[in-house]
Amino acid sequence: GENVEQHPSTLSVQEGDSAVIKCTYSDSASNYFPWYKQELGKRPQLIIDIRSNVGEKKDQRIAVTLNKTAKHFSLHITETQPEDSAVYFCAASSSGGSYIPTFGRGTSLIVHP
Amino acid sequence: SQTIHQWPATLVQPVGSPLSLECTVEGTSNPNLYWYRQAAGRGLQLLFYSVGIGQISSEVPQNLSASRPQDRQFILSSKKLLLSDSGFYLCAWIPRRTGNTEAFFGQGTRLTVV
Repeated sequence: GENVEQHPSTLSVQEGDSAVIKCTYSDSASNYFPWYKQELGKRPQLIIDIRSNVGEKKDQRIAVTLNKTAKHFSLHITETQPEDSAVYFCAASSSGGSYIPTFGRGTSLIVHP
Repeated sequence: SQTIHQWPATLVQPVGSPLSLECTVEGTSNPNLYWYRQAAGRGLQLLFYSVGIGQISSEVPQNLSASRPQDRQFILSSKKLLLSDSGFYLCAWIPRRTGNTEAFFGQGTRLTVV
């Protein structure tokens, strides 16, 4: 099955700095890579995703890059704000019917004012 | 619009007691359904998934079981809870008709076994 590794487990930055979270996956059949944000006590919610036919995608202050050859993808947050503080999860899944999202272990991002 | 309901939101149960968590999806048909557990506020561990009524796949051997008695209903159960069953349980769904897309999560159930 798929295995997703995520680093770092904790990331502490000053407000206005950039934050980068990296993930690697093992299954070359994976073709969908979402990122979820989970605030304390809440459900995870999608913030951005990328498919295997695209190398980079950007949405305002967040961007995701994908390197299919190396099997890794990254989340970039620029101009961080205190409200960006949360746990971020990467995930990978493949087509074929079950679409099982395999998640990384999460990164706790702390943005200091 | 599609919505997912999960209940209860919190639950405190004694060791050895039974468990039943329920999840229902509205506004869609034939969704893929998933149960995840999140321990210590981190890491989403897949417990069960279902691609149709009565079709349950287990990812982790444990004293939990799942059932899908109706198309949009997914139930997580246990006959006897263990202390190690404590955690945050999340139900999720993916619309099969749109293919490989984002997962939508329920509000979660915080289970504390005492």
